[in-house]
Amino acid sequence: EVQLVESGGGLVQPGGSLRLSCAASGFTLSTYAMSWVRQAPGKGLEWVSAISGSGGSTYYADSVKGRFTISRDNSKNTLYLQMNSLTAEDTAVYYCARLSCSSSSCQSPPRNWIDPWGQGTLVTVSS
Amino acid sequence: DIQMTQSPSSLSASVGDRVTITCRASQGISNYLAWYQQKTGKVPKLLIYAASTLQSGVPSRFSGSGSGTDFTLTISSLQPEDVASYYCQKYDSAPFTFGPGTKVDIK
Repeated sequence: EVQLVESGGGLVQPGGSLRLSCAASGFTLSTYAMSWVRQAPGKGLEWVSAISGSGGSTYYADSVKGRFTISRDNSKNTLYLQMNSLTAEDTAVYYCARLSCSSSSCQSPPRNWIDPWGQGTLVTVSS
Repeated sequence: DIQMTQSPSSLSASVGDRVTITCRASQGISNYLAWYQQKTGKVPKLLIYAASTLQSGVPSRFSGSGSGTDFTLTISSLQPEDVASYYCQKYDSAPFTFGPGTKVDIK
């Protein structure tokens, strides 16, 4: 069974940093591109970032570009999101997600849909 | 960047009604569109990918259509368990933008 378990969320002050982790199991992480999606309280879904299976290609939403860094350690089956210069607008539940496709290897984020999603981890930015 | 819009933003319908949600891209995205369902307090769930392909395990009352800029999600006979928010997402190229969502309730 595919499982994605996020950790690292919590309360952080404005201007602070936080690193989220996503432990993947039930599949070979290196053969899948991965993504982070967030959802502010009471709001819709916002795509944040994506990374190719090898980690060689990364993609960011304009709202986080230059502040957030996505990375992965395939040997540890773990995806990361380093978040710096946090503001109140970054307060949200952050979901880790696998990108899927019709073939057995879905390494490039474009043209891959999200499935499945992790349970999410809450990040609250407040003084 | 390509913008995604959805209409309506919310709707209320009776059990058994046919429900249609529209998603529009500001530029053509071929058929690189997915639909997700999110029930209150739950994780989003994939319903449809490639605009019209039903994800395994999703009830057949859900269907998707469209290509280019205009897409629709249809629930052929609304059930109480379909109360949720529905989001479309483009995945042709980054940014992989979501639509603003459509909230579906039972009348």
